[in-house]
Amino acid sequence: KAGVTQTPRYLIKTRGQQVTLSCSPISGHRSVSWYQQTPGQGLQFLFEYFSETQRNKGNFPGRFSGRQFSNSRSEMNVSTLELGDSALYLCASSLGSPGFDTQYFGPGTRLTVL
Amino acid sequence: AQSVAQPEDQVNVAEGNPLTVKCTYSVSGNPYLFWYVQYPNRGLQFLLKYITGDNLVKGSYGFEAEFNKSQTSFHLKKPSALVSDSALYFCAVSYRNRDDKIIFGKGTRLHILP
Repeated sequence: KAGVTQTPRYLIKTRGQQVTLSCSPISGHRSVSWYQQTPGQGLQFLFEYFSETQRNKGNFPGRFSGRQFSNSRSEMNVSTLELGDSALYLCASSLGSPGFDTQYFGPGTRLTVL
Repeated sequence: AQSVAQPEDQVNVAEGNPLTVKCTYSVSGNPYLFWYVQYPNRGLQFLLKYITGDNLVKGSYGFEAEFNKSQTSFHLKKPSALVSDSALYFCAVSYRNRDDKIIFGKGTRLHILP
């Protein structure tokens, strides 16, 4: 079975721009979660989608948004980028709830905001 | 609010010695507890989880963890460390029927010294 894939792997943007990140889950997995990883804050939960519906959301500003398509692929969008948005963005998929089922993580997208 | 703490930012262990990576969680209901590991430039990988049943949980790569309800801890252990165990380890907690949101600790960097 193919693992979780994320594209692109690396991105460099400037302040004020917007960015879209993509995640393809493992076939059959209906839940996709997004996380932001930074050295200072560790791993912070952004949101979780299940069958195209946002089921949970973390404490991030509205500039961070996401969606899930009918094939379970998910995208995450960050508008009006700030320097503090520089981070590794990880996507994870699971069969059901990530709080119960094992999550499978992608390699991440490294976003640098200049 | 649910939370999880990893009190050590870094743990150094000599190869061949036993290792312990500590994790404690906030008291509130019956937790589900997880350990994930992140190798350099990779996403997280699942190691083990406690849902119910035996307090001692065995996982991948010879790791195990013990659920201790009285001490609200879920420490990760291995009897004999390998240099290849050097990585970043994350503990995570969720509570069934409380929106199933999973919360990750800040991570502990494990260095195995040859």
